[in-house]
Amino acid sequence: DAGVIQSPRHEVTEMGQEVTLRCKPISGHNSLFWYRQTMMRGLELLIYFNNNVPIDDSGMPEDRFSAKMPNASFSTLKIQPSEPRDSAVYFCASSFLYRDSNQPQHFGDGTRLSIL
Amino acid sequence: TQLLEQSPQFLSIQEGENLTVYCNSSSVFSSLQWYRQEPGEGPVLLVTVVTGGEVKKLKRLTFQFGDARKDSSLHITAAQPGDTGLYLCAGADDYKLSFGAGTTVTVRA
Repeated sequence: DAGVIQSPRHEVTEMGQEVTLRCKPISGHNSLFWYRQTMMRGLELLIYFNNNVPIDDSGMPEDRFSAKMPNASFSTLKIQPSEPRDSAVYFCASSFLYRDSNQPQHFGDGTRLSIL
Repeated sequence: TQLLEQSPQFLSIQEGENLTVYCNSSSVFSSLQWYRQEPGEGPVLLVTVVTGGEVKKLKRLTFQFGDARKDSSLHITAAQPGDTGLYLCAGADDYKLSFGAGTTVTVRA
């Protein structure tokens, strides 16, 4: 079975440019999560979608960050304009949540983002 | 500030030795999950513990959930180089997972 698919795997761009990260969750999962991982702060939840609807975006650092989920099989995380401090590994994860918070999250292999 | 504190931060041992990683919190969670992450990959779930005092075994890995559901430990017996990786604990509260900073384990051949 295909897991969570993220693209691109690596992105290097100059500050001020728009960056778009993409995620295809596992088919049948109803929940999608975007995380950011850095050495200093570890894994942080940015936003959580349930049935394509954003439920919790309290982790989105600022207005430069936006996320969409137009359908059950695709989500994007956009940074505009990008800044060097946005450099990190961004993970997408999906899960099937139903009255049970114990379901595992399945992570993609991440996008390593470097803003110069 | 991390909700979950993991210790030690780094651990380097020889193949065949045992190791224990700790995960502590002041918060109570409905469950606690352990993940392992290898370089260039995303975290992969190892186990979920739900009940206070629960012990789960996965081959040479033993996971324990504290009675008060605030802390957990991971013990690896006779570690192998393939056990090398970043071990993350995550407390579950409804849909949200709060991750610890992780323990980087290196097993030398």
